[in-house]
Amino acid sequence: AQSVAQPEDQVNVAEGNPLTVKCTYSVSGNPYLFWYVQYPNRGLQFLLKYITGDNLVKGSYGFEAEFNKSQTSFHLKKPSALVSDSALYFCAVRDPPNDYKLSFGAGTTVTVRA
Amino acid sequence: GAVVSQHPSRVICKSGTSVKIECRSLDFQATTMFWYRQFPKQSLMLMATSNEGSKATYEQGVEKDKFLINHASLTLSTLTVTSAHPEDSSFYICSAAPGAGAYNEQFFGPGTRLTVL
Repeated sequence: AQSVAQPEDQVNVAEGNPLTVKCTYSVSGNPYLFWYVQYPNRGLQFLLKYITGDNLVKGSYGFEAEFNKSQTSFHLKKPSALVSDSALYFCAVRDPPNDYKLSFGAGTTVTVRA
Repeated sequence: GAVVSQHPSRVICKSGTSVKIECRSLDFQATTMFWYRQFPKQSLMLMATSNEGSKATYEQGVEKDKFLINHASLTLSTLTVTSAHPEDSSFYICSAAPGAGAYNEQFFGPGTRLTVL
């Protein structure tokens, strides 16, 4: 069965500093990996995905993530965080063709202080 | 593109009543729609998967007679919480996938906050 782990409940950074949100996964095949962001009382907004190809994926709002197969990781990064990046971030994985469903991590709350 | 809407955004009802939540894909046809439940400060838990024109597939532990799902068209799925109780209070989020292909990502609605008094 597929699963995702986000080891940090919270990440706090100062505005302008680099931001990293960690994610590791477990699947039986080749994973499809996703990052979503959720603002209070809102649905999820798609940030980026890895399906195949270049391990470094660039997404919305200046975010990027690097797929590392040997470490089974897909950490989300942003070189210079903004206060508006403060939100709840979810990593998710699919394990095709075994499963079309998304499995979500527990989420990481990011707080960027001015 | 790829916008998903939910209605209502917020609903308060009395215990024992039924509540219907709509999920619409506005600019694409959704072969598959998913319904999730999210408790405060927790992750999304998949409740069920619905495919247009067929019965929904429920996750283990989800009562299908309590959470009725209908996917009558390629742009609309509804979740009805029957005989709602306070423990059903939660944030319900739907998502829609434009096709059955493995590359198709899910697009999420804004969510519906259900409060059962």
